[in-house]
Amino acid sequence: KQEVTQIPAALSVPEGENLVLNCSFTDSAIYNLQWFRQDPGKGLTSLLLIQSSQREQTSGRLNASLDKSSGRSTLYIAASQPGDSATYLCAVSLSSNTGKLIFGQGTTLQVKP
Amino acid sequence: DAGVIQSPRHEVTEMGQEVTLRCKPISGHDYLFWYRQTMMRGLELLIYFNNNVPIDDSGMPEDRFSAKMPNASFSTLKIQPSEPRDSAVYFCASSFGGGGSNQPQHFGDGTRLSIL
Repeated sequence: KQEVTQIPAALSVPEGENLVLNCSFTDSAIYNLQWFRQDPGKGLTSLLLIQSSQREQTSGRLNASLDKSSGRSTLYIAASQPGDSATYLCAVSLSSNTGKLIFGQGTTLQVKP
Repeated sequence: DAGVIQSPRHEVTEMGQEVTLRCKPISGHDYLFWYRQTMMRGLELLIYFNNNVPIDDSGMPEDRFSAKMPNASFSTLKIQPSEPRDSAVYFCASSFGGGGSNQPQHFGDGTRLSIL
């Protein structure tokens, strides 16, 4: 059974720091991996999607990497800002035949001004 | 683009009552997903539809839960009878294509359900 783990559960950093959020999964046979952002009282917003054949994806100050063989992904946030404060979740898709995503519990990030 | 629209945003009701949550997916999306989020269990997939047909309902906790998608622009999740342990935030999401399309899922803002 696929399990997705995110460590740490919470993180607090001063504004301007570069930071890394971690995601691990137990079964390397994934189809893709997605990173989402969730603001309080809101739904999830997709940030980056990495296909299983890719190593990384970038969008602005965000960079996500994927190492299928070791069952790990990282989300790198450069020059963090208070507006980056949110919960970040990663999710894996198990196959191309299903829309099913397995989510981690998330990392709650606080960026202090 | 209006995004995924869920109603109501908040629902407070007494144990034993019927609860109906509603979702309007993004126009043109052919997949629709219902999730439940709690502090203890995180985000769990309850059921998903492809072209209005339920594909996988293995996440539905018990027979008190049912979901329908009568057309491409509307879906409901019903709980009857409701119990306090059903209290959670329920999200609806939609996407164009399933996992094979490598398209992200788009989420609504959720319904916060409290069963007293």
